[in-house]
Order: sequence, then structure tokens, then C-alpha cells
Amino acid sequence: AQRVTQPEKLLSVFKGAPVELKCNYSYSGSPELFWYVQYSRQRLQLLLRHISRESIKGFTADLNKGETSFHLKKPFAQEEDSAMYYCALKPQGAQKLVFGQGTRLTINP
Amino acid sequence: NAGVTQTPKFQVLKTGQSMTLQCAQDMNHEYMSWYRQDPGMGLRLIHYSVGAGITDQGEVPNGYNVSRSTTEDFPLRLLSAAPSQTSVYFCASTPSWGSSYNEQFFGPGTRLTVL
Repeated sequence: AQRVTQPEKLLSVFKGAPVELKCNYSYSGSPELFWYVQYSRQRLQLLLRHISRESIKGFTADLNKGETSFHLKKPFAQEEDSAMYYCALKPQGAQKLVFGQGTRLTINP
Repeated sequence: NAGVTQTPKFQVLKTGQSMTLQCAQDMNHEYMSWYRQDPGMGLRLIHYSVGAGITDQGEVPNGYNVSRSTTEDFPLRLLSAAPSQTSVYFCASTPSWGSSYNEQFFGPGTRLTVL
């Protein structure tokens, strides 16, 4: 079975500090991995996909197949990064996403 | 485009009542799904549909029914509401899982309380 684990329910860092949101997955095949974000009073939306290897709003995430991880990183946190972040996995050939439990990130001024 | 719309935004039910949560999308997406969001448990897939007339169960389907008579609409029915169904419900759509894009577009959510 597929599983996505985000070990931190809450994460609080100061503005300007680096931030890392952890995501580990359990899946035997080749997954597609995503980070979704939900800002206050906004809809859940896609932040980035591992297949794109892009940086969005200063965030990057690298798929580490050896450690089965897809951690989200940003070198200098900003107050507007405060939100709920979900890591999600799409199993190969499946038509669904499996979400982690979510991490609420708070950036302190 | 309105994107994915959900009604109602809030609903309070008594145990045993039934109701339908509405979801519609105007993007001609093939795939639609329903999730529930609970603290500490993330989003869990209830039911999904890969096209009109085709539905399938997700991770937590018990107590819910769905149908997909049109591409645009994907209602979620609670047959006999229970307090355990108190949650925030999200509808989502995506063009097709066959594409490399694979982004899901979410609705604003329905906050349901069952007393």
C-alpha cells in the first residue's frame, strides 16, 4: 500500500530562516510526487511537482528515491509562506493522489 | 471560468439525516474526486470518477454515495449522517491522469457538522 508521512504537524520558524518540511513516502514503484499548499481562506493549490524540477515562490523539493523522501525547502522564509502544506503521491498508473497528514507552517516576524 | 464550485459552504445536520453536497466544474475535466479533511489525518479520498457514468471508491467510501451523470457535476450523498462524518469536504477535478500535468484543482470546501 502507498503511504505518505509528514512527521511534523506544526512547524514554526522565524522570518529569514531556512525552512524544511519533511515528506517520506512508502511505495515500491516509481511515484510522482507533489506539494500542495493551502493559504488562509484560499483553496488548496499545487505548489510544485517533482517531475518539473522547478522552484516556485523560492521553494524547491528533490526526490530522493534512496531515502524515499521529497522534502520541501526554502532558504529564507517569508511571512507569506505561513500556510498548510501537503505532500502527495500519485502511484504509477493510478488515477488518484495519496496525501500526507499535512504540516502547518508558521513564519514568525 | 468559475473553476470548481461547491455548495453549501457550511451545513449542520442531525444524526440520521441525509443530504447531498454539490460539486460542479466548468473546465471540461474528465476526472473528479471527493476528499475529506480531518485534523492530523490530511486529505483522504472518498470517491472518484474518471468520466461520466464511471465512479469508484477511494480510501474512506463508507457512508457516502456518488454518481456522475454529466461531466460537470459530481454530487456526494450522505445517506444517514453520523458524527464521525463531521469534516471539511473538498471536491477536486483534473483534466486527465493520462497527461503529464496531473494537477488537481480544488473547490473551496464544505464544512459539515453532524450533531
